[in-house]
Amino acid sequence: KAGVTQTPRYLIKTRGQQVTLSCSPISGHRSVSWYQQTPGQGLQFLFEYFSETQRNKGNFPGRFSGRQFSNSRSEMNVSTLELGDSALYLCASRQDILAEAFFGQGTRLTVV
Amino acid sequence: SQQGEEDPQALSIQEGENATMNCSYKTSINNLQWYRQNSGRGLVHLILIRSNEREKHSGRLRVTLDTSKKSSSLLITASRAADTASYFCATDSNTGNQFYFGTGTSLTVIP
Repeated sequence: KAGVTQTPRYLIKTRGQQVTLSCSPISGHRSVSWYQQTPGQGLQFLFEYFSETQRNKGNFPGRFSGRQFSNSRSEMNVSTLELGDSALYLCASRQDILAEAFFGQGTRLTVV
Repeated sequence: SQQGEEDPQALSIQEGENATMNCSYKTSINNLQWYRQNSGRGLVHLILIRSNEREKHSGRLRVTLDTSKKSSSLLITASRAADTASYFCATDSNTGNQFYFGTGTSLTVIP
C-alpha cells in the first residue's frame, strides 16, 4: 500500500511569489491535514480537510489556503510568500477521525 | 498553541541502553500518538494509544498513558544507533480533526 506522497520535495521561491504544494493520501483515507514545521515554532497545524470540506483551520493568515479534491488529494497554496514562510510542510492522512495519522516526507520550501 | 511538552528536550545514551522520554498534555484527549522524525524528514508513525488504554507495546517500544496526570511515556529498549532521531507526541483535539504536537525530544544513540 503506497504511503502519503508529497510533491515537490524541495522548492525555492522568491518573496512575493506564490506556491502550490500537493499531497496524495493513502488510498481510502479521506482526511488530509497540513502542518508547518520550523525550528522556532515546531509543528503548527494549518488546516484539515475531510471529503472535500475544510473542517478545521489553524491560526495562519489568509495567505495560506487549501483544498481537497474528490479523490482526496489535497493542495495547499501560499500566496505573497514571505521569508518566514520557509519551512518544512507536512501533510498527514487518516482513514477517519481518531485513527492513526500517517505523514508524507514533506515539502521543504525555501523563500529567498 | 502546542498542547504537548516532551521531556527531556535532548537525550544522549550509549547503544544498548534504554531511552525514556515523557510527554505531558493539557486537556482531555481521545488518543495519543508517538512519531519519530529523522533529520527534518517526514514523521514516522510509531504507536497509538487510546485514552482507555494504560500501556501498549510494539517491538522494542513501550508506551504508557496516565490520563489522570495527563502524561505519557515512550520507552525504547536496547537502543540502536539507528534510533537517533527526534521523537514527538501528538494528541487529538476533542473533535478529532487536529493534532497538537509536543516540542519533541532529540535522541542521540552513541555507537
